[in-house]
Amino acid sequence: SAVISQKPSRDICQRGTSLTIQCQVDSQVTMMFWYRQQPGQSLTLIATANQGSEATYESGFVIDKFPISRPNLTFSTLTVSNMSPEDSSIYLCSVVQGVMDEQYFGPGTRLTVT
Amino acid sequence: GQQVMQIPQYQHVQEGEDFTTYCNSSTTLSNIQWYKQRPGGHPVFLIQLVKSGEVKKQKRLTFQFGEAKKNSSLHITATQTTDVGTYFCAGLYRGSTLGRLYFGRGTQLTVWP
Repeated sequence: SAVISQKPSRDICQRGTSLTIQCQVDSQVTMMFWYRQQPGQSLTLIATANQGSEATYESGFVIDKFPISRPNLTFSTLTVSNMSPEDSSIYLCSVVQGVMDEQYFGPGTRLTVT
Repeated sequence: GQQVMQIPQYQHVQEGEDFTTYCNSSTTLSNIQWYKQRPGGHPVFLIQLVKSGEVKKQKRLTFQFGEAKKNSSLHITATQTTDVGTYFCAGLYRGSTLGRLYFGRGTQLTVWP
């Protein structure tokens, strides 16, 4: 199974600033996903990131607000731009791997915007 | 549309009681996966169901996939405090991007001793 690390694990940021979250995988993967999860809520998919192509964003999420980079098959970043308190959430990256195409999640980044 | 509904949202049981969570989709699923998220943790894959009417067991956990591949359930027999967490179902639809899962809202299980 894939081992995924995320940096930072948590951060407190001021509104109007930007934060870049890093996701590192211990093996090469084609698909990477970025999710947002409010405390006690379900996972909301932000975008799908394939290496070598533009990320595909879900309805309600735009590239200007959540730019994503996928420079290689083991790494991706998600930037939360021009943050507001409504962006306070847990951000998770995940990859698809395994015989059942299951998803493996990183430990998450807990973001608080003040 | 592609949406997975899950009920109940919360379940509080006494240790030793059984627990069941249900998921439903209005359209046929290609497969369904189940995840568990412990408090403060991240979702962890439990199992995948692919075949119509499929039943899989993992110790005290029993997973079922409906005949029409539109619904699924997770049943835990004789809950233990280690079962505490939120259980998510996640559906994959035919024609969707590889790995693009549609998560249910989750069922948060609390077990008191």
